[in-house]
Amino acid sequence: DGGITQSPKYLFRKEGQNVTLSCEQNLNHDAMYWYRQDPGQGLRLIYYSQIVNDFQKGDIAEGYSVSREKKESFPLTVTSAQKNPTAFYLCASSDLLVSSYNEQFFGPGTRLTVL
Amino acid sequence: KNQVEQSPQSLIILEGKNCTLQCNYTVSPFSNLRWYKQDTGRGPVSLTIMTFSENTKSNGRYTATLDADTKQSSLHITASQLSDSASYICVVGGRDDKIIFGKGTRLHILP
Repeated sequence: DGGITQSPKYLFRKEGQNVTLSCEQNLNHDAMYWYRQDPGQGLRLIYYSQIVNDFQKGDIAEGYSVSREKKESFPLTVTSAQKNPTAFYLCASSDLLVSSYNEQFFGPGTRLTVL
Repeated sequence: KNQVEQSPQSLIILEGKNCTLQCNYTVSPFSNLRWYKQDTGRGPVSLTIMTFSENTKSNGRYTATLDADTKQSSLHITASQLSDSASYICVVGGRDDKIIFGKGTRLHILP
C-alpha cells in the first residue's frame, strides 16, 4: 500500500524541549517537504530535500532542523529555539520528473502542542 | 510578488446545491495550478491539476477551470454532499519550481 505516513498524529511538548516528527514515504519520490499550517494561513515551507544527504531551507526554517539519510525518510526536529511551535505539520513528497509537474502528495499531518 | 488569493474565505451551502470557489494568482512564470481538498485534521488530497494549455478538468463532481490570460481559476462542485465539507486549497506552481499556496476556502455543507 503506497503512500506517505507521519507519526505521531498528536504530540505534546513542554517548553524548552526538542521534539522530532517522523515522515516516511514508499512512493520512491526524490523530493520531500515539510510545511507548517496555522489557522487562517496558507501552508508555509519549512525545509525541503530533492536528494539524499541534501536539503534546503524554506521560508520559515528558523528553529527547525532536518536530515535526509535515506530516500524514504525525512524527519523534522522542532528545537527549543522555535518561538511558536504549536501548529499542524504536514510532510509531502513529489516525483521530480517534468511530466509530473512536481505534484505533491501529503501525509496525514502531526499536530504539535506546546504546553 | 507571487501570490495566490482565494475567495470566499468561507462558504455555507445546503446539501445538494452547487457552488463555485475562486482562485486568482500572480505567479509568473506559470507552470500549473492544482486544487486540493483538505478534511479537518488531515493532509490535503489532490483533486485536479492543470497546465497552461488546459482550461478545464473534471474529477467526478468537481470541475476546475483555468483562464491563464486573466490568471483566474475556479472550482465548481455539483450536487454537494455532506462529505464535501472541507477546506479547498488552490496551489500554483511556477516554472522555476516555486510552489505558492492559497489560504483556502472553508466549505460547510448543511443537511
